[in-house]
Amino acid sequence: AQSVTQLGSHVSVSEGALVLLRCNYSSSVPPYLFWYVQYPNQGLQLLLKYTTGATLVKGINGFEAEFKKSETSFHLTKPSAHMSDAAEYFCAVTSSENNDMRFGAGTRLTVKP
Amino acid sequence: GAVVSQHPSRVICKSGTSVKIECRSLDFQATTMFWYRQFPKQSLMLMATSNEGSKATYEQGVEKDKFLINHASLTLSTLTVTSAHPEDSSFYICSAAVGLVHTGELFFGEGSRLTVL
Repeated sequence: AQSVTQLGSHVSVSEGALVLLRCNYSSSVPPYLFWYVQYPNQGLQLLLKYTTGATLVKGINGFEAEFKKSETSFHLTKPSAHMSDAAEYFCAVTSSENNDMRFGAGTRLTVKP
Repeated sequence: GAVVSQHPSRVICKSGTSVKIECRSLDFQATTMFWYRQFPKQSLMLMATSNEGSKATYEQGVEKDKFLINHASLTLSTLTVTSAHPEDSSFYICSAAVGLVHTGELFFGEGSRLTVL
């Protein structure tokens, strides 16, 4: 079975500050990991994904995440927060052996002016 | 990018009635569609996986007679909540996959908020 845990249901940062959203996974097979963003009244959009290869993956809007197998983590970062980054962020996991995706509980990011 | 449309976005119904939610892939053919349920401040919970022309596969604990899923074409899947009760009130989200999920080509609808009075 696979699962992800997102630490912190709510993160608040100031505009221009570093954004760090935490995600830890559990998987008995090599995981494929994803970060999705959900803006109010919109569907989930893919930010970035890790499948194989380079462990540091870059996504849209300046976000990136690093796969760390030793720490079973896939934390999402952005060097400088923008007001438009305020949204709900979901970490998710699947594998080449599954054809479904398991989500974390989500982290709501608030950006203060 | 690919668009998945859900309808209705909000629905209020009386207890005991049935409600149908549609999920359409507007500009692509989806090999697989998924239905999720999201409780406030909680994760998206996978309810079922449906492939066009075959019966849906339900997750453990999800009543298939309660949540009827029909995937009649490669662009349309429907979720019918039968004999709805207040505890069925929730946010239901569908997603559609082009190929295998792990490729990341998974697109989400905007969700449907069901309120059962």
